[in-house]
Amino acid sequence: NAGVTQTPKFRVLKTGQSMTLLCAQDMNHEYMYWYRQDPGMGLRLIHYSVGEGTTAKGEVPDGYNVSRLKKQNFLLGLESAAPSQTSVYFCASRRTGLDEKLFFGSGTQLSVL
Amino acid sequence: QQQVKQSPQSLIVQKGGISIINCAYENTAFDYFPWYQQFPGKGPALLIAIRPDVSEKKEGRFTISFNKSAKQFSLHIMDSQPGDSATYFCAASIETSGSRLTFGEGTQLTVNP
Repeated sequence: NAGVTQTPKFRVLKTGQSMTLLCAQDMNHEYMYWYRQDPGMGLRLIHYSVGEGTTAKGEVPDGYNVSRLKKQNFLLGLESAAPSQTSVYFCASRRTGLDEKLFFGSGTQLSVL
Repeated sequence: QQQVKQSPQSLIVQKGGISIINCAYENTAFDYFPWYQQFPGKGPALLIAIRPDVSEKKEGRFTISFNKSAKQFSLHIMDSQPGDSATYFCAASIETSGSRLTFGEGTQLTVNP
């Protein structure tokens, strides 16, 4: 049982380049989230999805786009990378109900030079 | 605007001691308060969670204390072990709003042998 899988694990970009981070979950969860983690700032929500075909903005959405074409996949795109987007990115999916829980992937370390 | 403030930033405890991490929140609509544990190179994982209908929840050596009137909650780790050394994040959400978790800044706990 893989849970939440993120690819790639590491990436170095030059300013202005674009890339897509892929998140896949095999738990049939409706809700999926993209967070970024920066030292001393905790995890901040970038975008989220409450189901296939839906997306919504989180706390820090500028410079990012997302798509949820299939229930199991949630893609995060950077159209024109900036040094301020250097961060560790985490995808998560949510099990709902009384036993609510977020399942996180292992993260993508992105450096923008 | 940081809606969940966490302290301390870092904490060093001797093996067998009690680790205490505190969080304060602003939004009185929050109704779900989890704690996540993160080891280096890994994604966060749910440790324990509480809802505001109870003032305390205990799971093994981990206890959440919740004070609704003060808008504060804390994590107590009894008999702290070196294996507990990790970063701990408190969080809060409104369950009817897609459960978008707002995280605290994180506390790096080191338990010395």
